[in-house]
Amino acid sequence: EAQVTQNPRYLITVTGKKLTVTCSQNMNHEYMSWYRQDPGLGLRQIYYSMNVEVTDKGDVPEGYKVSRKEKRNFPLILESPSPNQTSLYFCASRLGFGNSPLHFGNGTRLTVT
Amino acid sequence: AQKITQTQPGMFVQEKEAVTLDCTYDTSDQSYGLFWYKQPSSGEMIFLIYQGSYDEQNATEGRYSLNFQKARKSANLVISASQLGDSAMYFCAMRDGASGGSNYKLTFGKGTLLTVNP
Repeated sequence: EAQVTQNPRYLITVTGKKLTVTCSQNMNHEYMSWYRQDPGLGLRQIYYSMNVEVTDKGDVPEGYKVSRKEKRNFPLILESPSPNQTSLYFCASRLGFGNSPLHFGNGTRLTVT
Repeated sequence: AQKITQTQPGMFVQEKEAVTLDCTYDTSDQSYGLFWYKQPSSGEMIFLIYQGSYDEQNATEGRYSLNFQKARKSANLVISASQLGDSAMYFCAMRDGASGGSNYKLTFGKGTLLTVNP
């Protein structure tokens, strides 16, 4: 089944404790991206990657890191999480051309205390 | 700067009736695309329908159709014959045009919560 898989689905952590949210897609998509969803703010892009070893900042990159060492994987790293990073996070992927739809993972609900 | 506006925070519809969810957008690009996504209470984001700015006909996908009025910069989603399972949050999104580079980022509206009543 074609899908984007994120793990974990739920994560509760404390301020400053490094964490990684994994994302993997099996559709051979060139493009991958991370979004966060907050009430009243909708979805905002954190980082994106056009292909292996090519990443760039989205609208809200502060406090996050990403890497794209393999085409299928695009982990999101929070080196020192803070409470304002409590959010619902989505990984998404699509083919390289612009009108292909984004396919989303099921989301990771992160709480930072 | 691009902007997507969904003016209806919540909508109610009776089962089996049609409903229109509004979406207006603002862009100076000539080439752009509009997407609609559904987010049920379980949280996943489900792609519904796409309309390109150069598409001459309104997009349709099963019970979903897009009422695209380019001059008015609106791309309303029409759901026909509503079902209880249509109850969800619906997001309109627009992708950057060619001037936005290769990111083709999707910019999302804030969503409309649709409730289908039995």
